[in-house]
Amino acid sequence: KNEVEQSPQNLTAQEGEFITINCSYSVGISALHWLQQHPGGGIVSLFMLSSGKKKHGRLIATINIQEKHSSLHITASHPRDSAVYICAVGRGAQKLVFGQGTRLTINP
Amino acid sequence: NAGVTQTPKFRILKIGQSMTLQCTQDMNHNYMYWYRQDPGMGLKLIYYSVGAGITDKGEVPNGYNVSRSTTEDFPLRLELAAPSQTSVYFCASSYGDRGSYGYTFGSGTRLTVV
Repeated sequence: KNEVEQSPQNLTAQEGEFITINCSYSVGISALHWLQQHPGGGIVSLFMLSSGKKKHGRLIATINIQEKHSSLHITASHPRDSAVYICAVGRGAQKLVFGQGTRLTINP
Repeated sequence: NAGVTQTPKFRILKIGQSMTLQCTQDMNHNYMYWYRQDPGMGLKLIYYSVGAGITDKGEVPNGYNVSRSTTEDFPLRLELAAPSQTSVYFCASSYGDRGSYGYTFGSGTRLTVV
């Protein structure tokens, strides 16, 4: 069993829909990261959080430390949000353990 | 503000050849990392460094070597390339400990070993 599990693996939605991507982890962590990777592109850090909730534009990330669970929400989704979203948890020396990613496709 | 710069972006190697993937950051980050990303798999840590002169193995270090002579540079060396090393390689950096600060990733190097 992977230390970091994401669901769903693939998600297709229509423009404007509210999107939720989930991440569960099984180990103690120092922080949880949400990353975005466009096809053929580099990786961009969206959020780093260790408790509560963070918001940036249309993106919202939450974490429940007791339940070892985090969610990434996208409001009013747009085709440019189409990407792979990766959950990663920070361990010692800030090493990251990654989930397999969620491939999101937003159709116009 | 360049962030993390990786070169080259693409490379094709023959089995047994050697090469160095370059990584430079200009943010004065003390932590640097090399990850590989295989299709359908999460990124795996190859090597990491917590400061100049200090390096340590990650999950998948076999077939690779690193050095960290300066804060800015963290090159990854492949000595005898094998098809199993075909992957996309990402260099990253961060500052601080206990996950206090976020990561910055390079744009990646797509390596094919034939």
